[in-house]
Amino acid sequence: DTEVTQTPKHLVMGMTNKKSLKCEQHMGHRAMYWYKQKAKKPPELMFVYSYEKLSINESVPSRFSPECPNSSLLNLHLHALQPEDSALYLCASSEGKETQYFGPGTRLLVL
Amino acid sequence: SQQGEEDPQALSIQEGENATMNCSYKTSINNLQWYRQNSGRGLVHLILIRSNEREKHSGRLRVTLDTSKKSSSLLITASRAADTASYFCATDGHSWGKLQFGAGTQVVVTP
Repeated sequence: DTEVTQTPKHLVMGMTNKKSLKCEQHMGHRAMYWYKQKAKKPPELMFVYSYEKLSINESVPSRFSPECPNSSLLNLHLHALQPEDSALYLCASSEGKETQYFGPGTRLLVL
Repeated sequence: SQQGEEDPQALSIQEGENATMNCSYKTSINNLQWYRQNSGRGLVHLILIRSNEREKHSGRLRVTLDTSKKSSSLLITASRAADTASYFCATDGHSWGKLQFGAGTQVVVTP
């Protein structure tokens, strides 16, 4: 299995809602990543987990809360988001520090 | 902050033509990667070139790296409509697993 899966594909939420994005990989990769991507822009790194421990937090607001329950799963919990948080959220995984394998993304709209 | 800058920002060509895009970066690197992103989807890894390599081929892709000029180019030969996508270069950042993406080149291949 060489795939990274993400659910849901689309999500619409209000500013008072709590929701979660999920990411799963079964390639045995030790690192997993969350990126945020706005239209016509490159992905921006949010968080990196290595061996299930948070290793990089790119000064992301606390309304985004990552969680790595095990080596195959990565969640991103969302709470009290703002309309400017609307974006494509990408998950990726890697074995080493080089090539990353991306999921298809979750398109989030915050109303 | 972005490490790489790409040009052109957009490129429109006809099927069968070659497409060339360039990436420049600012600091020393261990490797440089190119990724493709179809509209609204995840990124797909295309090719990685290490700092001690000058040229690399993969199918219809040719990548060059000039570390003295801190630049790389991606050539797609005999383009197809399916090559329509955004192409991003990415360099390894100072932190483990942290990729620095360029702004991207949007390529449109018309039949």
